[in-house]
Amino acid sequence: AQRVTQPEKLLSVFKGAPVELKCNYSYSGSPELFWYVQYSRQRLQLLLRHISRESIKGFTADLNKGETSFHLKKPFAQEEDSAMYYCALSGSARQLTFGSGTQLTVLP
Amino acid sequence: GAVVSQHPSWVICKSGTSVKIECRSLDFQATTMFWYRQFPKQSLMLMATSNEGSKATYEQGVEKDKFLINHASLTLSTLTVTSAHPEDSSFYICAGDKNTEAFFGQGTRLTVV
Repeated sequence: AQRVTQPEKLLSVFKGAPVELKCNYSYSGSPELFWYVQYSRQRLQLLLRHISRESIKGFTADLNKGETSFHLKKPFAQEEDSAMYYCALSGSARQLTFGSGTQLTVLP
Repeated sequence: GAVVSQHPSWVICKSGTSVKIECRSLDFQATTMFWYRQFPKQSLMLMATSNEGSKATYEQGVEKDKFLINHASLTLSTLTVTSAHPEDSSFYICAGDKNTEAFFGQGTRLTVV
C-alpha cells in the first residue's frame, strides 16, 4: 500500500522567511513524488516532480529515500505563495495518492 | 500544459435522483482519467481509474454500482452518481493523464438535498 503523510495542516511564516513543508511517504517500490498546489479558488496544479529536479517559483524538493521524505522548501517565502500544498505519490499504476495537505499562509 | 474541463461546476439534486458529471480533456487525448472525491478540509481520495474503452478500476470501498464511470472516448469520461443520498454530497474532481502527469479539472460541487 502507498501512503503519504503531511504532518502539518497549517503553516504560517513571515514574508522573506524560509519555509519547509514536510512530506513523508510509504511505498515498497520506486515511487514518483510530486508537489501540487491549489491557490484560492483555482484548480489543483502541478508545482514540481522529483524526477525533473527543477526549481519552480523558487521551490525545490529533494527525494530522500533513506528517510522516505520529499520535503518542499523555499528560502524566501512570498505572500503569493499562500496556498494549499499537497504532496503526492505515484506508484506503478500511475495513480496519485495524496497527502492531507498543508495550508501555507505567508504573513506580510 | 493541458486543460481538463469538468461540467457542471456545481449541482444540487434531490435525494434518489441521479447526477452525471462530465470530464473532458480539451487539448489532449487522455486514455486514462482519474476520479477523486474531496470532503471539506480533507485530502483527495481516489475513487476510480477509468481507461478509454474498458471498465473502470474502483478503489476499495467505492461502490461501482453507485458511482458509474464511462470513458467512451479519448477526451471524455463521465461519473454518474446514481440514487444520490445526502451523504454523497461532496466535491468531485477528475484528472486526465498526459505523459504520466495528471491535469485536474476544476471540480464539481454536488449537494444532495
